[in-house]
Amino acid sequence: AQKVTQAQTEISVVEKEDVTLDCVYETRDTTYYLFWYKQPPSGELVFLIRRNSFDEQNEISGRYSWNFQKSTSSFNFTITASQVVDSAVYFCALSVTEFGATDKLIFGTGTRLQVFP
Amino acid sequence: NAGVTQTPKFQVLKTGQSMTLQCAQDMNHEYMSWYRQDPGMGLRLIHYSVGAGITDQGEVPNGYNVSRSTTEDFPLRLLSAAPSQTSVYFCASSYSGTVYDEQYFGPGTRLTVT
Repeated sequence: AQKVTQAQTEISVVEKEDVTLDCVYETRDTTYYLFWYKQPPSGELVFLIRRNSFDEQNEISGRYSWNFQKSTSSFNFTITASQVVDSAVYFCALSVTEFGATDKLIFGTGTRLQVFP
Repeated sequence: NAGVTQTPKFQVLKTGQSMTLQCAQDMNHEYMSWYRQDPGMGLRLIHYSVGAGITDQGEVPNGYNVSRSTTEDFPLRLLSAAPSQTSVYFCASSYSGTVYDEQYFGPGTRLTVT
């Protein structure tokens, strides 16, 4: 099966705390892409990062960092010194290929992050 | 650029009615797709298209039709609405004909079927 699991349904933190959102995936593909998207309370979906399966370097962008580990099939997302504006639902997604069909993107069920002042 | 636009923003239908959700993008993107978002289910792919004249089914295509006559537009048709189709619908596009690029999402259409 090819799937994305975000086991944390909801996380609550107080501002300035660090928080890690977990993403575990299953795939039979050797080449694939992983993504994180943010959905703030306004409802739109915003792209955060894309990572291909051959690039296991961790990435940092400001307060955001991502830890990709193929050995554990995980692509975790950490927010350092969280802020109220980080409150949103965060989705992890995986590209999948299927024999005889066009590649698709499948999403996890999302993690709702609430950051309290 | 307006990006990806969706109309309407909200819609209430009665069971059995039909309607079309509109999606348009002005970025000359080849890949367009429709997702539905339900509580606790994340986003699930309904239909997608890798270019004008080419469409394919996603995870949950039943009850929906699509066509892609132009690069810009990708309407989603509900043939006979059912309460199970109550959801938030998102249209997305990306430059290449693949899912490997960043997806640009529209603002969503919230549909209620009574």
